[in-house]
Amino acid sequence: ILNVEQSPQSLHVQEGDSTNFTCSFPSSNFYALHWYRWETAKSPEALFVMTLNGDEKKKGRISATLNTKEGYSYLYIKGSQPEDSATYLCALSPPNRDDKIIFGKGTRLHILP
Amino acid sequence: GAVVSQHPSRVICKSGTSVKIECRSLDFQATTMFWYRQFPKKSLMLMATSNEGSKATYEQGVEKDKFLINHASLTLSTLTVTSAHPEDSSFYICSARWRGPLSNQPQHFGDGTRLSIL
Repeated sequence: ILNVEQSPQSLHVQEGDSTNFTCSFPSSNFYALHWYRWETAKSPEALFVMTLNGDEKKKGRISATLNTKEGYSYLYIKGSQPEDSATYLCALSPPNRDDKIIFGKGTRLHILP
Repeated sequence: GAVVSQHPSRVICKSGTSVKIECRSLDFQATTMFWYRQFPKKSLMLMATSNEGSKATYEQGVEKDKFLINHASLTLSTLTVTSAHPEDSSFYICSARWRGPLSNQPQHFGDGTRLSIL
């Protein structure tokens, strides 16, 4: 069974501070790594899809890095704003089922005013 | 951006009722749609992969006779929970992927359906 681990489970960050959290996955079962943002009462929104070791992607104040050799990805948020409060989901596409993605439990981010 | 519509958003019904949930891709063709279930404090669990014009691929442990999936067109997939019982109460969410090359395409999600069986 493939396990995608995210940490921390929950995080409180002061508005204006920067933060980051982690997604870990088995490096031997990697095809692509996805990050989604899931705000309450909305649908999950795709942030990034990364496939290459060393990939770095950026979208506004949010960026992500990927290390496929050691099996982890970091998501960074610079200068947190209240609208960043959401659950951030990491998901792995395994090589033998590239139509399928396996989700972690998510990191619940709360931005404190 | 791509939009996926899922409805109903909330269903409350009696035990033994069959419930149909629809998932539509509004502005793109989706050869593949996915159905997930989320238990409290758990990750999204893939139930089945729905392929247009063919039978769905169910994940291990998911009863295909219980959770009927139909993907009759490139824009519509339905999940029917047959003879629902309280243990079927959960959050169900669909996603669709654009008809294009695999691997780098993100999935586009509906808003989910909260199913409560009394």
